Amino acid sequence: GNSVTQMEGPVTLSEEAFLTINCTYTATGYPSLFWYVQYPGEGLQLLLKATKADDKGSNKGFEATYRKETTSFHLEKGSVQVSDSAVYFCALVTGTASKLTFGTGTRLQVTL
Amino acid sequence: EAQVTQNPRYLITVTGKKLTVTCSQNMNHEYMSWYRQDPGLGLRQIYYSMNVEVTDKGDVPEGYKVSRKEKRNFPLILESPSPNQTSLYFCASSLRDLNEQFFGPGTRLTVL
Repeated sequence: GNSVTQMEGPVTLSEEAFLTINCTYTATGYPSLFWYVQYPGEGLQLLLKATKADDKGSNKGFEATYRKETTSFHLEKGSVQVSDSAVYFCALVTGTASKLTFGTGTRLQVTL
Repeated sequence: EAQVTQNPRYLITVTGKKLTVTCSQNMNHEYMSWYRQDPGLGLRQIYYSMNVEVTDKGDVPEGYKVSRKEKRNFPLILESPSPNQTSLYFCASSLRDLNEQFFGPGTRLTVL
């Protein structure tokens, strides 16, 4: 079956620091990969996505590259802000049924 | 405004008392899903629906029912809630499979 593994949190960074959140996956077929973000008290929002190998998804300064050879989709940002504090979920979907398989989430706390 | 709405947002109930959490989307999406979010487990799919009158089980369907009589609505029914169903529930919709899923704001359910 499909599975997603994310690095454990929480991750605490100072503002303007470089961010990496690791994500690796196991999937049958050719998945589409996503990063979702959950701000406190809110639902999940799509941050970025990639639908095939070597695609790079990007949004709001965040980037992630679909690496088929390492089955990874690591999230990066060059300079984080306090407003980036949230929980980040890596997810994938394959085939039909619109079923997202999520990682356990990584909490990011950015301090001044 | 395109959105997914859920009601209620918060609910405290007792074991065995039937309840329904409503979900509605105004984007004419075909696919709708219910997820539960638990600490350390990420989000897990409960049920999904590919269109009106078409529903199927996700990963954790036990103790839940759903119906899809109209395209916009996808209620989640707990016929006899138990404490292990205490969780944060999210409804989501998407135009088709593999597309971005839009999430509702969540319903925090406590079963005593």
